[in-house]
Amino acid sequence: QQQVRQSSQSLTVWEGETAILNCSYENSAFDYFPWYQQFPGEGPALLIAIRSVSDKKEDGRFTIFFNKREKNLSLHIKDSQPGDSATYFCAASRGGNTGKLIFGLGTTLQVQP
Amino acid sequence: EAAVTQSPRNKVTVTGGNVTLSCRQTNSHNYMYWYRQDTGHGLRLIHYSYGAGNLQIGDVPDGYKATRTTQEDFFLLLELASPSQTSLYFCASSDEGGDTEVFFGKGTRLTVV
Repeated sequence: QQQVRQSSQSLTVWEGETAILNCSYENSAFDYFPWYQQFPGEGPALLIAIRSVSDKKEDGRFTIFFNKREKNLSLHIKDSQPGDSATYFCAASRGGNTGKLIFGLGTTLQVQP
Repeated sequence: EAAVTQSPRNKVTVTGGNVTLSCRQTNSHNYMYWYRQDTGHGLRLIHYSYGAGNLQIGDVPDGYKATRTTQEDFFLLLELASPSQTSLYFCASSDEGGDTEVFFGKGTRLTVV
């Protein structure tokens, strides 16, 4: 079964709106949650990450909200721009040198001008 | 910026053929990974390594071998390629394990006909 679930395969918003991408996970031992951004023809790249000791992480227009009790998190993209159109992967790992990052299936975001 | 270079970028082979995908990272990272990306399945870990000569099994290892010859070089081998292995393959590296930034290459598109 999917250990990291992203609730939407695709999402369309208008330029200037806040895009909200949702993610949930199964394993309570996960304690590191990065979001990766992928443009067509490129490999994924780290966008922002949070550890389970925090409930919020902000970096410019991108914010992660994390709920450990509910085992879910969301990525908010404020003032969405057409250049934000990409696929976003939620991921999780147990931390430490376990070497394994588990990815969700991805949400493809389209920002309409 | 971390650099992960994959070759070839595109490859077509026949069923039963022998294929080697190459990856080199130039940032002295300890960990290297091979992922495959398929629509509806996201990114799935095939094999990974935490140093030269080391190999760890990922989540979808069947039909694949891998070898880490040096700190920099990680190879993925398909000895009897099958159409189910048609996919986009990503190599990646990270300094430590699953809770540090993972840097991806641009991918190799493999088609098995």
